[in-house]
Amino acid sequence: QKEVEQDPGPLSVPEGAIVSLNCTYSNSAFQYFMWYRQYSRKGPELLMYTYSSGNKEDGRFTAQVDKSSKYISLFIRDSQPSDSATYLCAMTRSYNTDKLIFGTGTRLQVFP
Amino acid sequence: ETGVTQSPTHLIKTRGQQVTLRCSSQSGHNTVSWYQQALGQGPQFIFQYYREEENGRGNFPPRFSGLQFPNYSSELNVNALELDDSALYLCASSLAPSGGASDTQYFGPGTRLTVL
Repeated sequence: QKEVEQDPGPLSVPEGAIVSLNCTYSNSAFQYFMWYRQYSRKGPELLMYTYSSGNKEDGRFTAQVDKSSKYISLFIRDSQPSDSATYLCAMTRSYNTDKLIFGTGTRLQVFP
Repeated sequence: ETGVTQSPTHLIKTRGQQVTLRCSSQSGHNTVSWYQQALGQGPQFIFQYYREEENGRGNFPPRFSGLQFPNYSSELNVNALELDDSALYLCASSLAPSGGASDTQYFGPGTRLTVL
């Protein structure tokens, strides 16, 4: 079993839709949770960063962490064609360990 | 743009050869991590360098080695290339090796290595 599970998609939605992306994990030691966006042939770009449980909002993006369920989510409101990319969840243990554990990524396509 | 650059963009090698990939970190970042991303997969941690010393290693064999230089640049060396080494190699720089909010990793665009 992988430490981090993520549905690879693809997920295809119309412009303006609310998108929900999710990851589950097995290691309760994970404390820091991130979402990266990766366009084709580019490196991952950090979107959201959350420490421990709770919600964090940044513009059209909301990240949620539920440590009791070992489940994290990224919501995208009013999705745009420019949001079409692969979304990677990543997580790491407590401080002094910088090894990010990534999910496989979910490919999202937003059509006009 | 993250300020992290990598070279070359693409590389084709044959099995058994050796390769060196280069990364220039964001200015002021003293930590660099290298990841391997196979097609359709998430990045896998290879190793990390902090102040020119290895500071953690993933599940990769010793033929994967690295160097970090005082000018924030670094190298990933792979010896005895195998077909399964074909992947996108990413470097990521951060301010410090801890996992706190100020230590976010910023990724470069990657080097796509093809082994024939």
